[in-house]
Amino acid sequence: DGGITQSPKYLFRKEGQNVTLSCEQNLNHDAMYWYRQDPGQGLRLIYYSQIVNDFQKGDIAEGYSVSREKKESFPLTVTSAQKNPTAFYLCASSMPGRTTNTGELFFGEGSRLTVL
Amino acid sequence: GEDVEQSLFLSVREGDSSVINCTYTDSSSTYLYWYKQEPGAGLQLLTYIFSNMDMKQDQRLTVLLNKKDKHLSLRIADTQTGDSAIYFCAEEGAGSYQLTFGKGTKLSVIP
Repeated sequence: DGGITQSPKYLFRKEGQNVTLSCEQNLNHDAMYWYRQDPGQGLRLIYYSQIVNDFQKGDIAEGYSVSREKKESFPLTVTSAQKNPTAFYLCASSMPGRTTNTGELFFGEGSRLTVL
Repeated sequence: GEDVEQSLFLSVREGDSSVINCTYTDSSSTYLYWYKQEPGAGLQLLTYIFSNMDMKQDQRLTVLLNKKDKHLSLRIADTQTGDSAIYFCAEEGAGSYQLTFGKGTKLSVIP
């Protein structure tokens, strides 16, 4: 089945450690996104990539890093510089203008990161 | 920048209709979306409407768009306990293919 897979579902880390969240899609989508979700805050865009080997900062990129070496993969690293990393992280992809002529996003099931 | 506003909570009785409202600021929005998020899961697209439409109906869901007032609503008829979730409104700016999300409305259905 086509879709987006995020792993791990739950992750615990100690303060000062970097952690990498995985996002893989087999939808052949060009664009991929990372969002952070906090209670009552909605979704905030961290980084996005519209094509392989290229990515742009979103609204809250500080303390995060990404790479886009393959079309299918867009991992997110939460670095020790991120002051409040405990959150629910959502990965999404889209194929703008090709299938539905919209920017419709397809989401993974999310990864919950807790810093101890 | 663009902004999307929603009320945070809505509570309805099972069998009643639910109406979730959303306002946005970007007058050049091309598409407006409604997503549903169940606890601990990702977002799923419920429906979307093109900005030159006033209404779209899909089974129990009715979307109304007032472009003049930049107001979008989602009506769920015969609300069921399985409809309990967070509903996000999102708008897509013209030519950008980027979505701006509201903070989400948590719908609670009382049996």
